[in-house]
Amino acid sequence: GESVGLHLPTLSVQEGDNSIINCAYSNSASDYFIWYKQESGKGPQFIIDIRSNMDKRQGQRVTVLLNKTVKHLSLQIAATQPGDSAVYFCAERSNDYKLSFGAGTTVTVRA
Amino acid sequence: GAGVSQSPSNKVTEKGKDVELRCDPISGHTALYWYRQRLGQGLEFLIYFQGNSAPDKSGLPSDRFSAERTGESVSTLTIQRTQQEDSAVYLCASSKRADTQYFGPGTRLTVL
Repeated sequence: GESVGLHLPTLSVQEGDNSIINCAYSNSASDYFIWYKQESGKGPQFIIDIRSNMDKRQGQRVTVLLNKTVKHLSLQIAATQPGDSAVYFCAERSNDYKLSFGAGTTVTVRA
Repeated sequence: GAGVSQSPSNKVTEKGKDVELRCDPISGHTALYWYRQRLGQGLEFLIYFQGNSAPDKSGLPSDRFSAERTGESVSTLTIQRTQQEDSAVYLCASSKRADTQYFGPGTRLTVL
């Protein structure tokens, strides 16, 4: 099976609320993790990344948390906006270049 | 250019025909990747090019699939004798060595 997966395939969130998207991975050798956002009809867009020597990294309105003990990755989006509606993918890298992607979580923002 | 570009954006073909998909990476990016994304699913790795090194073709699903890249420029993904199960979005990404991968908009392939 896939080494990277997401706990929930869909997430509905009220505009202005915070969103949390979860991801589990199974390869303890993975050293780098990325979150991508994919809007309908477009390619994945880089959001934020984190290396395995970190447990938290913050960007603009987004925070990624890494828990290597339980092999869990999460993406937090603050003050979710309608433009945040998309499919979110986590990916892990276990060698020099190859990324393994999960199936994605579809986030729908309610007005 | 500013980002990764792919052409065509959409391709409809008949079963059994060959198709060629093109990817123009970001200038200066030595690494180029092809992925396949079936409807409602994640990305499936197909092939990886890094400079003049031998490509990693481990993700190609069959010998009907092949890809080429000359140096650090354009890449083409060719699917011969297309089948209906080849219908998917084919995504190309590029990066500086093993850095963050940046994706193009994809080519949506429909095999009738």
